[in-house]
Amino acid sequence: DAGVIQSPRHEVTEMGQEVTLRCKPISGHNSLFWYRQTMMRGLELLIYFNNNVPIDDSGMPEDRFSAKMPNASFSTLKIQPSEPRDSAVYFCASSLGGQAQWGTGELFFGEGSRLTVL
Amino acid sequence: KNQVEQSPQSLIILEGKNCTLQCNYTVSPFSNLRWYKQDTGRGPVSLTIMTFSENTKSNGRYTATLDADTKQSSLHITASQLSDSASYICVVSVKEGYQLIWGAGTKLIIKP
Repeated sequence: DAGVIQSPRHEVTEMGQEVTLRCKPISGHNSLFWYRQTMMRGLELLIYFNNNVPIDDSGMPEDRFSAKMPNASFSTLKIQPSEPRDSAVYFCASSLGGQAQWGTGELFFGEGSRLTVL
Repeated sequence: KNQVEQSPQSLIILEGKNCTLQCNYTVSPFSNLRWYKQDTGRGPVSLTIMTFSENTKSNGRYTATLDADTKQSSLHITASQLSDSASYICVVSVKEGYQLIWGAGTKLIIKP
């Protein structure tokens, strides 16, 4: 079985440019998470989707960040305009479960997208 | 406030030695606790899950414990191998919800 697939694996861009990160969750999983990981702050939840609907976006830093999930097999995280402080590894994770029925709560992570904003 | 604290922050041991990583949590209501292993440059991968009624669970050379009274968990690694070098992250699920409270992780380095 293919795991969670993220692209690109690495992105280097200049401040002010638009960045789009992509994620294909595991087939059949109905929950999708976007996380950001830095040395200073560890893993931070940015946004959580359940059945393609955004449930919690309280972790999205500011209006520069937006996320969409147009269907069960694809999600994007967009940063516009990008800033140097956005440099981090962005992970997408998927899982079975939902708001009220979390189950075992195991998240399956992609390999991450390492973003560097110059 | 729901929190998960891990110790030590980093640890260096020689190959073949044992080690124990700690996780203390103040999460309520508690659902379960999971340990993840994150290799450098990769996403975290689940090692084991501990529910409220479980005290000890083994997965090969990894043994996790949970003391629900003191709200502490440990991950013991036996006969360490170079491939055990990674970050180990403890995460607690909040009951009846989707919230996961993540620890900062312990960075383990195994030296030959």
